Amino acid sequence: NAGVMQNPRHLVRRRGQEARLRCSPMKGHSHVYWYRQLPEEGLKFMVYLQKENIIDESGMPKERFSAEFPKEGPSILRIQQVVRGDSAAYFCASSPSDRVWNSPLHFGNGTRLTVT
Amino acid sequence: GIQVEQSPPDLILQEGANSTLRCNFSDSVNNLQWFHQNPWGQLINLFYIPSGTKQNGRLSATTVATERYSLLYISSSQTTDSGVYFCAVPRRDSSYKLIFGSGTRLLVRP
Repeated sequence: NAGVMQNPRHLVRRRGQEARLRCSPMKGHSHVYWYRQLPEEGLKFMVYLQKENIIDESGMPKERFSAEFPKEGPSILRIQQVVRGDSAAYFCASSPSDRVWNSPLHFGNGTRLTVT
Repeated sequence: GIQVEQSPPDLILQEGANSTLRCNFSDSVNNLQWFHQNPWGQLINLFYIPSGTKQNGRLSATTVATERYSLLYISSSQTTDSGVYFCAVPRRDSSYKLIFGSGTRLLVRP
């Protein structure tokens, strides 16, 4: 019973390149959440997606960042034209429903993005 | 919005010692989670504890929701307990938005 799977674990990009981070939710889960952790800080919410729908992207920067969760395949967090300030750990979590208030949120192992 | 504060920010223990980590929150919450982020960056779910006390081996947690705090107890600490401990609570208006504290960084020395 695999947990939330994220890949790659580490990603190095030069300034201006694109970064694509992938998240496969737990089996049976159709709700995905992306969080970002800057160095020495706690995690901060970015975006909430269901299959083929973005439900809440209020925590995501307006430019260069986008997310999708297609009908088939993993959820993708895409960062275009990366800058040094994008260097962070990006975590994904999933749930079987949107009623997360009454159950724990489990995170994947994260993708550590380094922009050089 | 809700504020989450953790104390102490840093803690150094000798192996075998006990410790208590605290999490204060500024508003009533309907759940609270404790996480351990190990030195490799993995985020491990320790407790989901809206109220009351739970125990898991050498770790236990207590949440007193009416007084807006939670405590994480680590007994007989081991070097593998090192890392950062976070508590997190959901926002009222959107429960999938967890608000994380700034963490307690624990170092257990052999």
